Amino acid sequence: AQSVAQPEDQVNVAEGNPLTVKCTYSVSGNPYLFWYVQYPNRGLQFLLKYITGDNLVKGSYGFEAEFNKSQTSFHLKKPSALVSDSALYFCAVRDIGTDKLIFGTGTRLQVFP
Amino acid sequence: DAGVIQSPRHEVTEMGQEVTLRCKPISGHDYLFWYRQTMMRGLELLIYFNNNVPIDDSGMPEDRFSAKMPNASFSTLKIQPSEPRDSAVYFCASSLIQGGSYGYTFGSGTRLTVV
Repeated sequence: AQSVAQPEDQVNVAEGNPLTVKCTYSVSGNPYLFWYVQYPNRGLQFLLKYITGDNLVKGSYGFEAEFNKSQTSFHLKKPSALVSDSALYFCAVRDIGTDKLIFGTGTRLQVFP
Repeated sequence: DAGVIQSPRHEVTEMGQEVTLRCKPISGHDYLFWYRQTMMRGLELLIYFNNNVPIDDSGMPEDRFSAKMPNASFSTLKIQPSEPRDSAVYFCASSLIQGGSYGYTFGSGTRLTVV
């Protein structure tokens, strides 16, 4: 069965520093991978996705993610964190059998001034 | 397009009362999903529809929960009778026919409090 794991419940980073939010996946076949962000009192918003092509995917708000097939990872990154990036981040993978998305448990990112 | 629209944004009700949550998906989207989010259990898929037909309701917690999609532009999630443990944020999401490839668009959610 397809699944994603987000090993960190929370990530703390100082403003201006680079940030990484980790995600690993388990799929049979080629993975379709997604990152979503949830700001307080809002729904999940699409950030970026990997279907095929370049391993480095660029998305909204300056975020990018690196697909690593050998490590089965799809970590979310940003070169310089902003306080406004503080939110809950979800990794997701497409379930090949049903075509629906399987979401991870979420990682809370806290950026300190 | 205004996106996925959910109503109400907040609902406070007494235990035992019926609660109805509403969702209007994006026009042209063939899939509709209902999720529940709590601190304890995270994001849970309750049920999803394809072309107005329920495909998988295995996530619906109990018979007290029911969902309908009478047409392509409207869906409801009903809880009858409601209980305090139903307190959560309920999200609706929609997607194009190949939902897993295009991703989902989520509504802003309904925060339900059952007292």
